[in-house]
Amino acid sequence: QQPVQSPQAVILREGEDAVINCSSSKALYSVHWYRQKHGEAPVFLMILLKGGEQKGHDKISASFNEKKQQSSLYLTASQLSYSGTYFCGPTRTSYGKLTFGQGTILTVHP
Amino acid sequence: EAGVTQFPSHSVIEKGQTVTLRCDPISGHDNLYWYRRVMGKEIKFLLHFVKESKQDESGMPNNRFLAERTGGTYSTLKVQPAELEDSGVYFCASSTGRVSYEQYFGPGTRLTVT
Repeated sequence: QQPVQSPQAVILREGEDAVINCSSSKALYSVHWYRQKHGEAPVFLMILLKGGEQKGHDKISASFNEKKQQSSLYLTASQLSYSGTYFCGPTRTSYGKLTFGQGTILTVHP
Repeated sequence: EAGVTQFPSHSVIEKGQTVTLRCDPISGHDNLYWYRRVMGKEIKFLLHFVKESKQDESGMPNNRFLAERTGGTYSTLKVQPAELEDSGVYFCASSTGRVSYEQYFGPGTRLTVT
């Protein structure tokens, strides 16, 4: 079942912060976060594993609430390069398939 | 380190024709995944290889789609015969499946069926 992302779209000025949320109805092993720019491949940002381990971007942080099956991506001091569509992709096993949300479109203006 | 590569980048074919997409994963990555994004919709999983074996093919839409992974290296996805609804962007991703689990995506193949 597809996870639900919110908000669907965000518009920011450079330097502002944003939070993108991802909720799943099923028990999760991990949550992956990706950013995709138009016409390009999704780029890996973060992975949050059951048990608290995180790996990823040095300017982006995220949280994973295992009990609620929710994850949030925190973008601080946004830059123009942050613009794109953000997808969360939960997995139910360690190397299982990603089930992507519908995406959150982030636009950063100067 | 070379990333995931896919060929061709674009393909335009007529309904009823056959198309074969190719994916070369990052060297040493045992896990290979195929995903598809149909316009306006989310990216959907198609199937997952571990080396040359199909681990999960629950996302394959029907038997017009055939995926292979020769010797656990590159993979091909054949669509035969193609239908209009097969149009979209087909992504391949790979991961080591060991210490780290992040999946690295290729640039995708944009398939248009007319």
